[in-house]
Amino acid sequence: QKEVEQDPGPLSVPEGAIVSLNCTYSNSAFQYFMWYRQYSRKGPELLMYTYSSGNKEDGRFTAQVDKSSKYISLFIRDSQPSDSATYLCAMRNAGNMLTFGGGTRLMVKP
Amino acid sequence: GAVVSQHPSRVICKSGTSVKIECRSLDFQATTMFWYRQFPKQSLMLMATSNEGSKATYEQGVEKDKFLINHASLTLSTLTVTSAHPEDSSFYICSAGQSNTEAFFGQGTRLTVV
Repeated sequence: QKEVEQDPGPLSVPEGAIVSLNCTYSNSAFQYFMWYRQYSRKGPELLMYTYSSGNKEDGRFTAQVDKSSKYISLFIRDSQPSDSATYLCAMRNAGNMLTFGGGTRLMVKP
Repeated sequence: GAVVSQHPSRVICKSGTSVKIECRSLDFQATTMFWYRQFPKQSLMLMATSNEGSKATYEQGVEKDKFLINHASLTLSTLTVTSAHPEDSSFYICSAGQSNTEAFFGQGTRLTVV
């Protein structure tokens, strides 16, 4: 079993829909949680960074962490075609090394 | 947010030659940088951890003599693909960050070996 599980998709939604992306993990030592967006042939771009359980909102994006369930989510409101990309969850403990999910490919259709 | 710059963004080289990729942290000091490889439609695969002033730590299955890493300063790490072959063609990405903060990625380097 992988340390971080993420549905690869692809996830196809119409423009304006609310998107829910999720990851589960097994290592209870993870403390820091990140979501990255990666366009084709580009480096990952940090979207959200959270520490501990709870919600964090930034514009159309909301990150949610439930440590008791070892489950994190990223919600995208009013999705746009420009949101079409691969979304990677990542997490780590107190050190520097990240553990990634496999990425979910999202397609937002006009 | 912090910026990590990676250069070049794309390189084509002949089989048997070596290619150097640079990763710079522009506005912070990074004692540790990470090098990843990514195949099409797959997630990032950690190759090695680059430690400033000491030897890099390579992941299992990654040839250290093939992928030379040098982290000579707190803002620069380099990855040299030596004696490149077509199977080394891939997307290489570096990241840098500090403990207890977010990690930032470079733009990536697409290497094509012909």
